[in-house]
Amino acid sequence: GAGVSQSPRYKVAKRGQDVALRCDPISGHVSLFWYQQALGQGPEFLTYFQNEAQLDKSGLPSDRFFAERPEGSVSTLKIQRTQQEDSAVYLCASSLFEFRGRNTIYFGEGSWLTVV
Amino acid sequence: SQKIEQNSEALNIQEGKTATLTCNYTNYSPAYLQWYRQDPGRGPVFLLLIRENEKEKRKERLKVTFDTTLKQSLFHITASQPADSATYLCALSGRAMRFGAGTRLTVKP
Repeated sequence: GAGVSQSPRYKVAKRGQDVALRCDPISGHVSLFWYQQALGQGPEFLTYFQNEAQLDKSGLPSDRFFAERPEGSVSTLKIQRTQQEDSAVYLCASSLFEFRGRNTIYFGEGSWLTVV
Repeated sequence: SQKIEQNSEALNIQEGKTATLTCNYTNYSPAYLQWYRQDPGRGPVFLLLIRENEKEKRKERLKVTFDTTLKQSLFHITASQPADSATYLCALSGRAMRFGAGTRLTVKP
């Protein structure tokens, strides 16, 4: 597609429910990132994939958070047993090359998660 | 610990003036620094990148400076317009791009 696509755009989950958020990066992009953005804050890094390899998951806040990119394209961020503090916008981003800091990163519109 | 601080949560200026936004960082030695624009309900959009060995970068009405001694970047929008109203984020390279909290700019007509 023309840009990074995320679904669902909005999700309301009951506390304790599992959720799965999907990201379709720009076709051919090697790098894929997940960020969490709370209201009024900047994006916080969660995890980074280079193709199907998860090279950095240091930002995942707990073992309830799990991300995968099994075929090196589409990625899923899964949150188990959601808590109210998980309410945030989850942003996916992709970049053409392996991450070097000089690459342009393209963001999706985000998945807005509200845990009630 | 590593910190990225954007000094103003909000900045209000009059149309036609120059907006100057600040990004300070500690315990980082980034090779690259990027600036993004984010509109409400949208994802961030890349604006400019500056390398550690560059002092200044320009693109149309935008100018970025990068002082690795002061550990500071300044982002300028000249001849500002109401359409420039948005949140501006600085981001530093490391193992991934790390973002500041952003500065919300409002340009009044």
